[in-house]
Amino acid sequence: SQKIEQNSEALNIQEGKTATLTCNYTNYSPAYLQWYRQDPGRGPVFLLLIRENEKEKRKERLKVTFDTTLKQSLFHITASQPADSATYLCALDIERFSGGYNKLIFGAGTRLAVHP
Amino acid sequence: EAGVAQSPRYKIIEKRQSVAFWCNPISGHATLYWYQQILGQGPKLLIQFQNNGVVDDSQLPKDRFSAERLKGVDSTLKIQPAKLEDSAVYLCASTPGMEGSYGYTFGSGTRLTVV
Repeated sequence: SQKIEQNSEALNIQEGKTATLTCNYTNYSPAYLQWYRQDPGRGPVFLLLIRENEKEKRKERLKVTFDTTLKQSLFHITASQPADSATYLCALDIERFSGGYNKLIFGAGTRLAVHP
Repeated sequence: EAGVAQSPRYKIIEKRQSVAFWCNPISGHATLYWYQQILGQGPKLLIQFQNNGVVDDSQLPKDRFSAERLKGVDSTLKIQPAKLEDSAVYLCASTPGMEGSYGYTFGSGTRLTVV
């Protein structure tokens, strides 16, 4: 069956450390893998996208890796701050058919808490 | 640019009643999505429009849910009659084209509670 798995337990880290979140998937062939941040009572906010032929992407303190052989993405926040506390969602952008409309499928998310 | 607008923000109804949600996507975005997010889960796609046509409604419970995007701009999602398990946040999102290479832009959602 098709699955997207993220750590269901909250990740608690100390301010200044690097947070690493994991996303594993099975039986999908995504065109892109995306990461979103979601705060309580708000919709998801797009952070980063990585394509199937890319290994790594960076944006400021964020870094995403993508291993299509392992079917895994790692999401890193360096020098974490309390303001980074939120739920982070992994999403696969699946091409329905060649040249057709894509479909975004989400994991359940991992809650990150950064403590001062 | 203005974001994706949704209303209302909150709605409480009794089971078997009907409810409607409204979404106005980012100007010029051709593709509009409705997602359902149950507490503790990731968003689940209900229906996807390209302009005013339905691309995918395979996950929409069509016996009680309906959606339309008549002029290819704003959209409404309706539930009639509501069940307790419909309690969730209903999110609207939009993208410029048919794929999300620039990411998807979401609204803040409508939190529905069915009692």
